[in-house]
Amino acid sequence: DTEVTQTPKHLVMGMTNKKSLKCEQHMGHRAMYWYKQKAKKPPELMFVYSYEKLSINESVPSRFSPECPNSSLLNLHLHALQPEDSALYLCASSQVDLVNYNEQFFGPGTRLTVL
Amino acid sequence: DAKTTQPNSMESNEEEPVHLPCNHSTISGTDYIHWYRQLPSQGPEYVIHGLTSNVNNRMASLAIAEDRKSSTLILHRATLRDAAVYYCILKSTSGSRLTFGEGTQLTVNP
Repeated sequence: DTEVTQTPKHLVMGMTNKKSLKCEQHMGHRAMYWYKQKAKKPPELMFVYSYEKLSINESVPSRFSPECPNSSLLNLHLHALQPEDSALYLCASSQVDLVNYNEQFFGPGTRLTVL
Repeated sequence: DAKTTQPNSMESNEEEPVHLPCNHSTISGTDYIHWYRQLPSQGPEYVIHGLTSNVNNRMASLAIAEDRKSSTLILHRATLRDAAVYYCILKSTSGSRLTFGEGTQLTVNP
């Protein structure tokens, strides 16, 4: 299984809602990533988890809260978002060999619209 | 992170070779050159990576200049399915971070 799955595919939420994005992989990868991609722009790294611990937070606002409950699962909890947070949210995973991070496998993304 | 420069767009004809250039004049000795591509409505997909020597895999070839300040991704026979945004990324040996630039939009004409 060489797939990263993301649910839901699409999400529409109001600014007062709380929702979560889910990402799953069964490739035994110990690094997992969240990226944000605005239309016609490249993906931007948000968070990196390595061995279920948060290793990189790219100064992301606290209304985005990541969670890695186990080595196969990565969540992104959303609360009090703004319309400008509307974007494609991509999850990725990779093998980690000591300090070497290998190629990243990306999911198809969750298209988020904040009204 | 060291920066890469790519043309905004390129066009090719189906079944012809495509050479996608990338400049990275500030590359450091520990930076690998990675290529990813993003097909429409999909997440990015790993294509190939290399350090100093030219590399081949089932998807493409990577030609790296001797001074490592530039590289070229080669698709030997473009198909319509190869139409995508191609990203050239420098990645430190031990780093987890991928910093995407603007990439090259490749259009393949039938």
